[in-house]
Amino acid sequence: DAKTTQPTSMDCAEGRAANLPCNHSTISGNEYVYWYRQIHSQGPQYIIHGLKNNETNEMASLIITEDRKSSTLILPHATLRDTAVYYCIVSQTGNQFYFGTGTSLTVIP
Amino acid sequence: GAVVSQHPSWVICKSGTSVKIECRSLDFQATTMFWYRQFPKQSLMLMATSNEGSKATYEQGVEKDKFLINHASLTLSTLTVTSAHPEDSSFYICSARRDRGPFNEKLFFGSGTQLSVL
Repeated sequence: DAKTTQPTSMDCAEGRAANLPCNHSTISGNEYVYWYRQIHSQGPQYIIHGLKNNETNEMASLIITEDRKSSTLILPHATLRDTAVYYCIVSQTGNQFYFGTGTSLTVIP
Repeated sequence: GAVVSQHPSWVICKSGTSVKIECRSLDFQATTMFWYRQFPKQSLMLMATSNEGSKATYEQGVEKDKFLINHASLTLSTLTVTSAHPEDSSFYICSARRDRGPFNEKLFFGSGTQLSVL
């Protein structure tokens, strides 16, 4: 079962930063936090993942709180193509991924 | 790198027939693959874990005789929907975890198969 809680939907103005929160209060010490997104009728696309430290790549930044009970995905300059459903998943290496309901992000022109 | 190919992208079949969906890891070996289904406006639901050379592990409530999974090689898993009915119409998605190398803790997803049963 999914171990994460996310807001159902969010809007973001084009060009602004999109900050997507995720609660995972029952996360265990060896579970990673993963973020994927899904554009309509496509397979999920990997964005970023982390264990304890904040992470950044060419797509986004991941901020994990010190107690690891929550995290925030940051899209620094949202574009219309970032409109998608964003999923936060916690899982141990080698285990299954259970998807929660995700956040439907709409980027507004 | 790390591409997962899923075929077909969409399929329409008559009620009572069987449909096979293929999932291939194109540039890596994957002992473990996963099959999901997704209904409109809903999240992905894990159906089963496919293990190369052994039986698949099905999630609670998923009929193993209805959804046959075969993982015959380190790069191919197939899902066969047997005696399909309209309620089996759904978007089926596979994913794979690479056995070794960088990023082997994350999953790579196929593009999905839209199944419509008439």
